[in-house]
Amino acid sequence: AQSVTQLDSQVPVFEEAPVELRCNYSSSVSVYLFWYVQYPNQGLQLLLKYLSGSTLVKGINGFEAEFNKSQTSFHLRKPSVHISDTAEYFCAVIPHSGNTPLVFGKGTRLSVIA
Amino acid sequence: GAVVSQHPSWVICKSGTSVKIECRSLDFQATTMFWYRQFPKQSLMLMATSNEGSKATYEQGVEKDKFLINHASLTLSTLTVTSAHPEDSSFYICSARRQISGNTIYFGEGSWLTVV
Repeated sequence: AQSVTQLDSQVPVFEEAPVELRCNYSSSVSVYLFWYVQYPNQGLQLLLKYLSGSTLVKGINGFEAEFNKSQTSFHLRKPSVHISDTAEYFCAVIPHSGNTPLVFGKGTRLSVIA
Repeated sequence: GAVVSQHPSWVICKSGTSVKIECRSLDFQATTMFWYRQFPKQSLMLMATSNEGSKATYEQGVEKDKFLINHASLTLSTLTVTSAHPEDSSFYICSARRQISGNTIYFGEGSWLTVV
């Protein structure tokens, strides 16, 4: 079974400042990793995913994440945030094989302050 | 465009009535679909795995008689909330895994259910 831990439930940050949202996972098998964003009253939008290859993954809206296998982490970063980045962010994992569902972390609420 | 489509996006129903939510894979066959529920300010919790042509697999704590899942074809799964109560008000979202083209997970747009 897999589990995902998002270490911070809320992250306030000033506009134009950098941000890192932390994600650690646990799994006995190899997994793919995802970050999703959910804006208020909306569904999920895929920010980026790591399937294989380069451990630094670039996504939409200027976000990037780095897969660290030894630390079982997949932290999300953005060098300069905007007010419009205020949203809930979810880290998720799924095993490489099999038809099993995504396992989500509890989410991190990013609040960007003007 | 959407690869997994969910309908309706918003629904308000009276307490005691039943509501059906549809999840369709538009251009691929999904033998398995997943239903999640999200309460306000919480994460997505897996409710059940919908299996085409067989019974759904429910997660612990999810009432199978209340949340009826039918996966009658390779492109359609339905979730029916029976005898809905205000505490069933939530965001329901389905997903399917497309194992060709990079193991992509597709989500429906989600359905906001409000029971009054």
